[in-house]
Amino acid sequence: DTEVTQTPKHLVMGMTNKKSLKCEQHMGHRAMYWYKQKAKKPPELMFVYSYEKLSINESVPSRFSPECPNSSLLNLHLHALQPEDSALYLCASSPAGQFPGELFFGEGSRLTVL
Amino acid sequence: AQRVTQPEKLLSVFKGAPVELKCNYSYSGSPELFWYVQYSRQRLQLLLRHISRESIKGFTADLNKGETSFHLKKPFAQEEDSAMYYCALSQGGGGSNYKLTFGKGTLLTVNP
Repeated sequence: DTEVTQTPKHLVMGMTNKKSLKCEQHMGHRAMYWYKQKAKKPPELMFVYSYEKLSINESVPSRFSPECPNSSLLNLHLHALQPEDSALYLCASSPAGQFPGELFFGEGSRLTVL
Repeated sequence: AQRVTQPEKLLSVFKGAPVELKCNYSYSGSPELFWYVQYSRQRLQLLLRHISRESIKGFTADLNKGETSFHLKKPFAQEEDSAMYYCALSQGGGGSNYKLTFGKGTLLTVNP
């Protein structure tokens, strides 16, 4: 399995809802990432996990809460989001310590906040 | 702070013509540069990286440290090359080497 799988592909939520985005990879990668991509814009880094520990948080608002339960899974918990948080959320993984910067991306979860 | 600049938002060429997508960077350390590509309705994927000096799908890119550039070139463009291309920079080595910064992207259209 050489893919990063993200679920759900589409999510619509209200500002008071709590939802989660999920990401899974079985390539043995020990670095996992969350990126946010607005339409016609480049991906923007949100969080990096290295060996299941949060190593980078790009000053993301606390309404986004990442979690890395094990080396294959990465979650992004969403609560009290704003309409401007609507975007494509990309998960990625990489073989930590090797070929830094070579990221394997999922297809993304398209989030709409009403 | 590291920065990646892609001056062309859109680039349109005819099939068979040469194509060059420009990328300039600013970084005080030793950078590692990449080109990522996103074809229509497909996931973002690595095209090539400067450390491997390889050619993928006929594309090449040379790191010019003097000009702080990493332009992507192909001598003869094909219609299937139409895609969004992102230049990206990663800080080389150390604990923060996972941080990949993307340029704003260049949308390449190859016309028949």
